[in-house]
Amino acid sequence: QKEVEQDPGPLSVPEGAIVSLNCTYSNSAFQYFMWYRQYSRKGPELLMYTYSSGNKEDGRFTAQVDKSSKYISLFIRDSQPSDSATYLCAMRGGSNYKLTFGKGTLLTVNP
Amino acid sequence: DVKVTQSSRYLVKRTGEKVFLECVQDMDHENMFWYRQDPGLGLRLIYFSYDVKMKEKGDIPEGYSVSREKKERFSLILESASTNQTSMYLCASSPAGTVGDSPLHFGNGTRLTVT
Repeated sequence: QKEVEQDPGPLSVPEGAIVSLNCTYSNSAFQYFMWYRQYSRKGPELLMYTYSSGNKEDGRFTAQVDKSSKYISLFIRDSQPSDSATYLCAMRGGSNYKLTFGKGTLLTVNP
Repeated sequence: DVKVTQSSRYLVKRTGEKVFLECVQDMDHENMFWYRQDPGLGLRLIYFSYDVKMKEKGDIPEGYSVSREKKERFSLILESASTNQTSMYLCASSPAGTVGDSPLHFGNGTRLTVT
């Protein structure tokens, strides 16, 4: 079983839709959970960060972590064409430099 | 704003050549990383460095080496380039510390083609 599993998509939605992106993981030592957004021909940039279980909201974005199920989600409300990008989940343990990334989900929001 | 600059966006090299990929960051970050990104395989860590002259192997160090002589600069070296090293290479940096919100700041990548 891979440490982090992420559906690669592609996912195509109409503008204004609610988007749900998900990752599952197997390593119970993971404590820090992040979502990165990567536009075409650019490096990834940090979008959201969550420590342990719970929800975090930032504008149209909500990150959820369920450690009991080893499942994390990113919700995008009122999606915009500018949200079209690849979304990468990433996670690590508490005393570890190393981030483990999912393979990324390619999202297209159609106007 | 943190800036991580990779010296080349595109690079074409021949099999067997020694290849240097350069990365510079301007935010005095202690940690620097080299990843490669391939379709279907995602981001994989090659090497990282948490201090000048310090380095640690990541998940796929074979065929690569690194150099960190100055805090702001981290170089990836392909000793003898092979076609299976054709990839997008991403450099990243982060502040010191392993806990808390220490996000990686990425450069825009170097797309290396080995022919």
